Parts: sequence; C-alpha cells; structure tokens
Amino acid sequence: EVQLVQSGAAVKKPGESLRISCQGSGYMFSSHWIIWVRQVPGKGLEWMGWIDPGDSYTLYSPSFEGHVTISVDRSIATAYLQWTTLKASDTAIYYCARRQDLGENWFDPWGQGTLVTVSS
Amino acid sequence: DIQMTQSPSSLSASVGDRVTITCRASQSISSYLNWYQQKPGKAPELLIFGASALQSGVPSRFSGSGSGTDFTLTISGLQPEDFATYYCQQSYNAPMSSFGQGTKLQIK
Repeated sequence: EVQLVQSGAAVKKPGESLRISCQGSGYMFSSHWIIWVRQVPGKGLEWMGWIDPGDSYTLYSPSFEGHVTISVDRSIATAYLQWTTLKASDTAIYYCARRQDLGENWFDPWGQGTLVTVSS
Repeated sequence: DIQMTQSPSSLSASVGDRVTITCRASQSISSYLNWYQQKPGKAPELLIFGASALQSGVPSRFSGSGSGTDFTLTISGLQPEDFATYYCQQSYNAPMSSFGQGTKLQIK
C-alpha cells in the first residue's frame, strides 16, 4: 500500500524553529515528487512547494519562498518542511502529498496532516 | 498566476439529489484540472484527474467535465458519505499549481 505518514502535532512559540516530516512507503520514494500544502483551520488549500526526492530540486510558491525550507532524506524515504522563525500566522494543518508521475500533476495519496500551533 | 474560482462556495442538498459544482480558471488550462474531496478532520482525497478521469476506487456517481476555463464536478445520486468539501486544482503550469477556494456540500 502506498502511503505517506506525517509526524505528530506540534505546539511552538513565536520565534521558535520546527521541522515536520513525511515518510513514504510502498513505492519508490525517489521517483515521485512530494508537495506540501497548508490549510489554515476552516480555510482552503494552499500549495507551498515541491521537492523532487531524486535530486532534491525544490520549487516554492512565491507566497512561501524564504519562509520555509523543504528538504528530503532519501535514505529514510522522508521529506521535511522546516521553519527557522515561526509566526502565529503559521498556525495551520500541513499536508504532504505525492505527485502521481512526470506530466501527471495530481496528488495521491496524501499524508494524514500535521497540526502546527504557534502561540505565546 | 492562474486563479481558480469555485461556485458556489457552499450548497445544501438532500440524499439522492444530483449536484453540480463549477470551477473556473482565469485563463485556459486545457484539461489540466483535478478534483479532490475533503471530509472534516481528514486529508483531501483525489477524485478526478485530467478533468474527467475517475480515480481508481471512486464511485461512478462522480463525474467531471470541461476544458479550457470552465469545469464541472457532478455527483449523481448523493449519498450520505458525499457531504464534504470539494476542491479543484489546476496543473496546467506545473510544477506551479493552485487550488480553488473550495465548495462545502451540506445536508439539507
């Protein structure tokens, strides 16, 4: 079974750093891009960026570039989303998802989501 | 940027109804349009890709159509488990992407 399993919920203070993870299984991890998506509670889905696990190429949405870093560790089939300086406005659920294939830019499956709460 | 606009933002319907959700792109995106369903507290799930291709395991009461700028998701014969929020996503300018704002389908 192809699946993505994300790390658990996190509670942080403004200014702190955080890294959340997304581990793939049941498929060749290096062959499918991973996307990160933000969902503020009660709101819609926002594309944040991609990573190609094969060569670590990343592409960020202009709305998120410079504020987050996406990375990967192929040896453990895991992608990461990282903040160095969290803000209260980063409070959201973050999902990772797998791109189907080259030229097939739809996302399936999705991870279960990681709730990040940033509050003083 | 390609903007995706869904309508309506919410709608109420009854079990057994036929409902249609519309997604409009700010420019032509050919058939590079995908639909997702999200139930409360759960991750989104892929329903339809390439505007009209049904993802494996998705019931045939779901269908998608359209090309260019205007697309529709139709559910024929609503079931209780279909009450959820639906999102469209364009992949025309991949690897860039964007989602519609969502349509919440509620029980009347």
